[in-house]
Amino acid sequence: GAGVSQSPSNKVTEKGKDVELRCDPISGHTALYWYRQSLGQGLEFLIYFQGNSAPDKSGLPSDRFSAERTGGSVSTLTIQRTQQEDSAVYLCASSLVGVGSPLHFGNGTRLTVT
Amino acid sequence: GESVGLHLPTLSVQEGDNSIINCAYSNSASDYFIWYKQESGKGPQFIIDIRSNMDKRQGQRVTVLLNKTVKHLSLQIAATQPGDSAVYFCAESTNQGGKLIFGQGTELSVKP
Repeated sequence: GAGVSQSPSNKVTEKGKDVELRCDPISGHTALYWYRQSLGQGLEFLIYFQGNSAPDKSGLPSDRFSAERTGGSVSTLTIQRTQQEDSAVYLCASSLVGVGSPLHFGNGTRLTVT
Repeated sequence: GESVGLHLPTLSVQEGDNSIINCAYSNSASDYFIWYKQESGKGPQFIIDIRSNMDKRQGQRVTVLLNKTVKHLSLQIAATQPGDSAVYFCAESTNQGGKLIFGQGTELSVKP
């Protein structure tokens, strides 16, 4: 079946511009996650949505970062006034029930801020 | 803060040999552990998971061992193949937290 889909796959933007990254999770998955991965590094947790509960935003690095999940499905990660240190691969994942179930990842959006 | 770390950043093995990738975790409250494989340019791919009420779980050519006493996790790959070459990440979570915390990864290189 269809996996997690992310778009765009690559994004180049100028410093100071806003960007939106999109994630389509696996149908029926109640939990959705965003992670960030810098070159050669591990995955840094950003935000976690579980059903209708308030999202866990504890990993967002600054107030320039925000995310929404509409209708319990598609999610958008927005970065305002991008900085060069925001350059990374942004990975989205979904899981069937959240806690204690494996995450299924998309292939990410590679963001480059020039 | 709490973290998951790896003993070895790189591992090189001969095709056909067994591979062992190790991981230490620091949060004694973690009760769910998972291993991922990541190939270049792709998202992490689920390999195998284990809950804290188990100490061993086997999959196809892979085995995960959990030692809660010393907070250690390992991934064993039998008869390693060139297609196993990738970066391997361990991750942990708690029943209350939900989010997975990832280690830094080990790069596995398989020599033909």
